[in-house]
Amino acid sequence: EDQVTQSPEALRLQEGESSSLNCSYTVSGLRGLFWYRQDPGKGPEFLFTLYSAGEEKEKERLKATLTKKESFLHITAPKPEDSATYLCAVPGKLKAAGNKLTFGGGTRVLVKP
Amino acid sequence: DAEITQSPRHKITETGRQVTLACHQTWNHNNMFWYRQDLGHGLRLIHYSYGVQDTNKGEVSDGYSVSRSNTEDLPLTLESAASSQTSVYFCASSEVGGRGSTGELFFGEGSRLTVL
Repeated sequence: EDQVTQSPEALRLQEGESSSLNCSYTVSGLRGLFWYRQDPGKGPEFLFTLYSAGEEKEKERLKATLTKKESFLHITAPKPEDSATYLCAVPGKLKAAGNKLTFGGGTRVLVKP
Repeated sequence: DAEITQSPRHKITETGRQVTLACHQTWNHNNMFWYRQDLGHGLRLIHYSYGVQDTNKGEVSDGYSVSRSNTEDLPLTLESAASSQTSVYFCASSEVGGRGSTGELFFGEGSRLTVL
């Protein structure tokens, strides 16, 4: 059974204070790893898909990296608008794209001005 | 613009009542999913469908059912609501996987259900 664990559960940052979120996973064979952002009262919003160890993706102040056992979401010089819950997920066995996802518990990030 | 909508957004019901949460998407996606989100458990998959007349159980399907009679809709029914089913429910859809597809799930805004 696929398992996804995120740490820390919560992270409080000062504006401009860079940090990293961790997502570790246990799967029978890596079929991709997804990162989502969720704002309070909203549904999760897609950020990145990573498919192979060593792959990196960037979007504004966010950068996701992937190894064989874990993924990191680096937040560089965060702003208050980066405050959200960040979720990672792995897809099921049948196919990577468009398949059901198993999510981690999320990391709640609060960036104070 | 294409979208995915859930209704109702908020509902309060009593134990034992039948409840149906609606999910409608206009992307013409074949794949649709229902998740519940609870503190301490994250998002957990209830049911999913890969096309019309196809439905599958997720990890927390007991007490829930779905039906897929067309591409656009996947209603979620709680046959006899229980207090343990108080949660926020999210519907999502995605296109069929393939080269060039990100595998992205598009989520609705959620339906908050309280069972008293």
